[in-house]
Amino acid sequence: KAGVTQTPRYLIKTRGQQVTLSCSPISGHRSVSWYQQTPGQGLQFLFEYFSETQRNKGNFPGRFSGRQFSNSRSEMNVSTLELGDSALYLCASSPTADHTQYFGPGTRLTVL
Amino acid sequence: EDQVTQSPEALRLQEGESSSLNCSYTVSGLRGLFWYRQDPGKGPEFLFTLYSAGEEKEKERLKATLTKKESFLHITAPKPEDSATYLCAGADSNYQLIWGAGTKLIIKP
Repeated sequence: KAGVTQTPRYLIKTRGQQVTLSCSPISGHRSVSWYQQTPGQGLQFLFEYFSETQRNKGNFPGRFSGRQFSNSRSEMNVSTLELGDSALYLCASSPTADHTQYFGPGTRLTVL
Repeated sequence: EDQVTQSPEALRLQEGESSSLNCSYTVSGLRGLFWYRQDPGKGPEFLFTLYSAGEEKEKERLKATLTKKESFLHITAPKPEDSATYLCAGADSNYQLIWGAGTKLIIKP
């Protein structure tokens, strides 16, 4: 089975712009979670989607949003980018049977 | 408040020198304790899930154990390729993962 894929792998944006990141889960996985990882804060949970519905949400401002499509692919959007949004954004999918999360390679976002 | 704490923050070992990484947790209604390995610039790679105190799982040079308050990742005779950051996470009653900050392991040849 193919693993979790994320596109793009690298992005450079400037403050005030917006960005959309994409995640394709492992085939058959219906749950997709998003995380932000920075050296100082570690892995921070953004949100989880299951069957196109947001099931859990972390403590991030409303500038961070996401959605899931009927084929389980997911996107996250960050509007009005700030310098502090520079991070590795990770997507993870998990099967319904157990809740093990399998991660993609991440998207490295740099905000200048 | 649910919390997961890993120690030490960093560990340097000589090749072949066995040691253990610690993960202490206070997670209400723990649904599982997960261990991952992360290489620089990559996503975490799943290693183990432990569900109940006393459970042990092994994979190559790694063995994970679980008590009611902590989990250990034992590394036996490590090799340089075992160098990575090891992350643990506890799943709460909603299966949301509470992550530790990780232990950076460096194995010197």
